[in-house]
Amino acid sequence: EPEVTQTPSHQVTQMGQEVILRCVPISNHLYFYWYRQILGQKVEFLVSFYNNEISEKSEIFDDQFSVERPDGSNFTLKIRSTKLEDSAMYFCASTGGSGQPQHFGDGTRLSIL
Amino acid sequence: QKEVEQNSGPLSVPEGAIASLNCTYSDRVSQSFFWYRQYSGKSPELIMSIYSNGDKEDGRFTAQLNKASQYVSLLIRDSQPSDSATYLCAVNKAAGNKLTFGGGTRVLVKP
Repeated sequence: EPEVTQTPSHQVTQMGQEVILRCVPISNHLYFYWYRQILGQKVEFLVSFYNNEISEKSEIFDDQFSVERPDGSNFTLKIRSTKLEDSAMYFCASTGGSGQPQHFGDGTRLSIL
Repeated sequence: QKEVEQNSGPLSVPEGAIASLNCTYSDRVSQSFFWYRQYSGKSPELIMSIYSNGDKEDGRFTAQLNKASQYVSLLIRDSQPSDSATYLCAVNKAAGNKLTFGGGTRVLVKP
């Protein structure tokens, strides 16, 4: 069964550094998402991406964040100048749309020191 | 008012019994409803999707939707210790839109 893959599984970074989280969505999917989950809290929406542009973003997704689909398979989340409060699990998800459910990758655990 | 509300639990259920989980949502334009299971430290795993009023069954799982009451539920029959996890209710307003998650209900199935 096709799946969403995310790398790395765990990223440890010094505060103030930049990180790039990578995702390969399911190949025939059209909509891509990033969510995050701070330890012990609920899953929160960050951004959605469709047709090579951001379709929606949350208040969390400020100028510190950016997304890119550099080629036909990868979907990346860049976090500039990381802060301690950016420590969380980051999940990538994709769907074919038309009411189909979103499928999640295994996530990247981001730890900011 | 929270957009998607769930009882945080834990819901303790004897092995073999039925676990009943509830979820309410505030936005009447919500169209699609999903239940995800999340084991500790893992990602959400889709269990059920439901789009119209009524019941939908898949194996040991039954989802129920009542749009008039803005209520969706999940029944787990013949609960197994492996069902012990946090169950997340998620809704979206239209195809391709973001998911809004509830805080999850933690289920403990005791042998």
